[in-house]
Amino acid sequence: EVQLVESGGGLVQPGRSLKLSCAASGFTFSNYYMAWVRQAPKKGLEWVATISTSGSRTYYPDSVKGRFTISRDNAKSSLYLQMNSLKSEDTATYYCARLRSTRDFDYWGQGVMVTVSS
Amino acid sequence: DVVLTQTPPTLSATIGQSVSISCRSSQSLLDSDGDTYLNWLLQRPGQSPQLLIYSVSNLESGVPNRFSGSGSETDFTLKISGVEAEDLGVYYCMQATHAPWTFGGGTKLELK
Repeated sequence: EVQLVESGGGLVQPGRSLKLSCAASGFTFSNYYMAWVRQAPKKGLEWVATISTSGSRTYYPDSVKGRFTISRDNAKSSLYLQMNSLKSEDTATYYCARLRSTRDFDYWGQGVMVTVSS
Repeated sequence: DVVLTQTPPTLSATIGQSVSISCRSSQSLLDSDGDTYLNWLLQRPGQSPQLLIYSVSNLESGVPNRFSGSGSETDFTLKISGVEAEDLGVYYCMQATHAPWTFGGGTKLELK
């Protein structure tokens, strides 16, 4: 059974950093692109980052480019999101998601909440 | 960025009723590789999103066949043929043809 379990969320002050983790199991992690998607409270979904199977290629929207870094450790079947210079508008539930054929989010984690507030 | 406009924002239905949700894109979603990367997801209350339909009309494994997707270029439709109680939640269309990938604003399906 495919499982994606996020961790590392919490309350952080504006301008500070936070690193999210996603532990994957039930599939060969190194064979799949992975991504982060977020959802602000009572709002819709926003794609945040994607990483290739080897980690050599990463993709971001302008809203987080230069502040967020996606990475992975295939030996540990783990995905990460380093978030720097956090802003109040980064407050959201962050989902780890698996990409099948690089374009479909076929499995999602349960999400982890990040609150950016002073 | 590609803007996906979903209508209606809220849909009230009775059990067994057939309903449709529209998703209109500000640009054609036909990719240079010939595929159209328009997906539909459902987020039930308190749950993570789940994939229902990928590449316009392909039913995800395990998803009931009362769900169907259609459309091309800029106009897409998700149809539920006979709503069941477990179908309630928010439906999102999502495009992965153009970077950045974007989502529609959502359509909330509720019981009448």
